[in-house]
Amino acid sequence: DIQLTQSPSFLSASVGDRVTITCRASQGISSCLAWYQQKPGKAPKLLIYAASTLQSGVPSRFSGSGSGTEFTLTISSLQPEDFATYFCQHFNSYPLTFGPGTQVDIK
Amino acid sequence: EVQLVESGGGLVQPGGSLRLSCAASGFTFSDYYMDWVRQAPGKGLEWIGRSRSKPKSYTTEYAASVKGRFTISRDDSKNSVYVQMNSLKTEDTAVYYCTRGIIVGPTVYIQYWGQGTLVTVSS
Repeated sequence: DIQLTQSPSFLSASVGDRVTITCRASQGISSCLAWYQQKPGKAPKLLIYAASTLQSGVPSRFSGSGSGTEFTLTISSLQPEDFATYFCQHFNSYPLTFGPGTQVDIK
Repeated sequence: EVQLVESGGGLVQPGGSLRLSCAASGFTFSDYYMDWVRQAPGKGLEWIGRSRSKPKSYTTEYAASVKGRFTISRDDSKNSVYVQMNSLKTEDTAVYYCTRGIIVGPTVYIQYWGQGTLVTVSS
């Protein structure tokens, strides 16, 4: 099975900050990676798929990059509504595992 | 508008069974892969299985943690997907989400999520 790790696990940031979250895969997964945002008590929401394709309706301050084993999610200017937990998930092979998540909190 | 509405959650004893349902609307259900994902209280997300669409013969995939105990099925005439959960364990306690895929070349990503239904396995 492919394992995903995320760093950092927790991030404290201010409104307007540039934020970068990293997701690493235990083996190469091409560009078969998605990023989700989850707020407390809510279902996750797709932000990015195929490593860098922005889901329709998602603000352009979100971007994704990477291929192979290392991927990043960047929020160019953090907004109040962006404080949430972010998960990556690979789609290279079964099982389709998730990363453990990165909680983004208000500094 | 895509809508996914789960139902069937509740309290069940260890060793018991439960069947979750997901009613879909707003899209041509038969064309899409449907996955189930769960989240234990305060924990991360765990993919548990996938139902492929009719062109792929409705084949399924499962996570090792549920294989042999959970069965995913679908009824395209009712725009619904199900997960039959048998031999439930306390560690199956979670919110269960129904999801719909998006096809991007050879890969099907999870695009839409339902609101989830809580399953509690406890004596």
